[in-house]
Amino acid sequence: QVQLVESGGGLVKPGESLRLSCAASGFIFSDHYMAWIRQAPGKGLEWISYISSSGSYRYYADSVKGRFTISRDNANNSLYLQMNSLRPEDTAVYFCTRDATSGGDRFDYWGQGALVTVSS
Amino acid sequence: DIQMTQSPSSLSASVGDRVTITCQASQDISNYLNWYQQKPGKAPKLLIYDASSLETGVPSRFSGSGSGTDFTLIINSLQPDDVATYYCQQYHNLLRITFGGGTKVERK
Repeated sequence: QVQLVESGGGLVKPGESLRLSCAASGFIFSDHYMAWIRQAPGKGLEWISYISSSGSYRYYADSVKGRFTISRDNANNSLYLQMNSLRPEDTAVYFCTRDATSGGDRFDYWGQGALVTVSS
Repeated sequence: DIQMTQSPSSLSASVGDRVTITCQASQDISNYLNWYQQKPGKAPKLLIYDASSLETGVPSRFSGSGSGTDFTLIINSLQPDDVATYYCQQYHNLLRITFGGGTKVERK
């Protein structure tokens, strides 16, 4: 069955960096766009980044553009999110998600989430 | 960015009730609209895609409708397991995917 398992979350100070990883299994990873979506405590969902199946195309929300970098390793079925210059407003649970198609429309599988806390 | 406005923000219903949640887009998004269910402490789960298509494995008491700017999620005969927060999501602009603010469904 499809599984997405995030790791790498934790407590960091403002301005610091963190790298999230997502291990995928149960499907052909290289066939799917992947995305990161986050949820601040007690708040709604915010899409932050997409990466195409080959990794050639990467898209970012304005809130993270220039600070976050999405990448993938299709040989190892892994998705990553490098987060630099973290701010308190980046505090959230970060979900690794699979796009059901190759065109970017619906997120049919989600990981359990990784909590990132940015606080001094 | 396309703004998605859900209403109500919360509701209370009894088991067996018909529950209606609406989602309004700030511009025409055709049928590029999905619905998700999120239970406390869990990841969201896809319920409905393309406004009205039921995701595999989702109970048939869930249905979606609408196009353009106005969309509806209906839960026919609310079950205890349906207590959750529901979110709509538009993908008209793939580079600016946005979610609604959520509707919390509680049991009366």
